[in-house]
Amino acid sequence: KQEVTQIPAALSVPEGENLVLNCSFTDSAIYNLQWFRQDPGKGLTSLLLIQSSQREQTSGRLNASLDKSSGRSTLYIAASQPGDSATYLCADPWGGADGLTFGKGTHLIIQP
Amino acid sequence: DTAVSQTPKYLVTQMGNDKSIKCEQNLGHDTMYWYKQDSKKFLKIMFSYNNKELIINETVPNRFSPKSPDKAHLNLHINSLELGDSAVYFCASSQDLGGEQFFGPGTRLTVL
Repeated sequence: KQEVTQIPAALSVPEGENLVLNCSFTDSAIYNLQWFRQDPGKGLTSLLLIQSSQREQTSGRLNASLDKSSGRSTLYIAASQPGDSATYLCADPWGGADGLTFGKGTHLIIQP
Repeated sequence: DTAVSQTPKYLVTQMGNDKSIKCEQNLGHDTMYWYKQDSKKFLKIMFSYNNKELIINETVPNRFSPKSPDKAHLNLHINSLELGDSAVYFCASSQDLGGEQFFGPGTRLTVL
């Protein structure tokens, strides 16, 4: 059964810093890896999807990488802004026969 | 236009009642999902539907039943509600199983 772990569970940094969020998974036969953000009381917003054949995806100040051999994905946020404050979740949209698997998220606070 | 919509946004009801949550997607996707997010903010898959066929059914009580009248809709019906059913329920869709997922805004269910 695929298990997804996110480190750190919480992170607070001053505005303007570059930061890295980590996601690890136990089953290297991962199909795709998707990053989301969730704002308090809101649904999930898809940020990036890295397909199995890809190693990274970029969208604006966000860059996500996928290393299947080590079972890791990272989300890099450049020049962080207070509006980036949210919970960030990674997920294996196809978690194998046991279904889809989410990590527990990283709660990010960007201090103005 | 909202890609994935859910109604109602909030639902407060008594134990033992039967209730339904509706979900609609206008993305033309083939796969729809229901997730439960508990008080600890952990997201767990409940059901997946692909072309109106249930393809993944996590170990949820049979009081929960997904109903899909057509490809664009996946409703969640809950019988004999219990206190432990209180959570936020999210609907999502993707083009196919394992594809990028798009989430609805969530339905906060409170069972008294």
